[in-house]
Amino acid sequence: GQNIDQPTEMTATEGAIVQINCTYQTSGFNGLFWYQQHAGEAPTFLSYNVLDGLEEKGRFSSFLSRSKGYSYLLLKELQMKDSASYLCAVRDGPGGGNKLTFGTGTQLKVEL
Amino acid sequence: DTEVTQTPKHLVMGMTNKKSLKCEQHMGHRAMYWYKQKAKKPPELMFVYSYEKLSINESVPSRFSPECPNSSLLNLHLHALQPEDSALYLCASSQEGGAAYEQYFGPGTRLTVT
Repeated sequence: GQNIDQPTEMTATEGAIVQINCTYQTSGFNGLFWYQQHAGEAPTFLSYNVLDGLEEKGRFSSFLSRSKGYSYLLLKELQMKDSASYLCAVRDGPGGGNKLTFGTGTQLKVEL
Repeated sequence: DTEVTQTPKHLVMGMTNKKSLKCEQHMGHRAMYWYKQKAKKPPELMFVYSYEKLSINESVPSRFSPECPNSSLLNLHLHALQPEDSALYLCASSQEGGAAYEQYFGPGTRLTVT
């Protein structure tokens, strides 16, 4: 099974940097995904990590440490439109059917 | 085209009704998924189709019946639902179910069971 933890809520200021953490304990691991979901909308893909280290994509970066069962999503130069829920999702290994299990999500509020 | 479409956007049905949700993608993806999402909760996987065959059923009650008529279409047939089944139903697709490809989500169908 999968156990994925994220903070429930975070608040940050426009223009600032915020780091959203995700810890996981899983029976199998075949990659970690970050998705953004605005209220009432579908999740949209942000980043993917399968090896340890940092993946950078514009204002968004994601880090993974497999030995620690830990990832974070870093958002730079925050904008009001970044207010959304950020979902960490772990893909199970082939033995688990490569399923994607989502964490509970972190609701980020960006303020002026 | 990186779009997954879902119809209808909203659906209200009684507990004795039979209805179907539809999902379509034209990205050539061979894996398609149904998720259920309750308010302020993450999506929960229901079914996975890989190469038009059901590969995962997450112990979903039989009142939900998935169907994959071809590689572009995914249906979810609903019958004798309960009020607690009211939720946002999301369809997703990916290039292949067994590899580490991101899933593209449709906008969802918001279902209300009365």
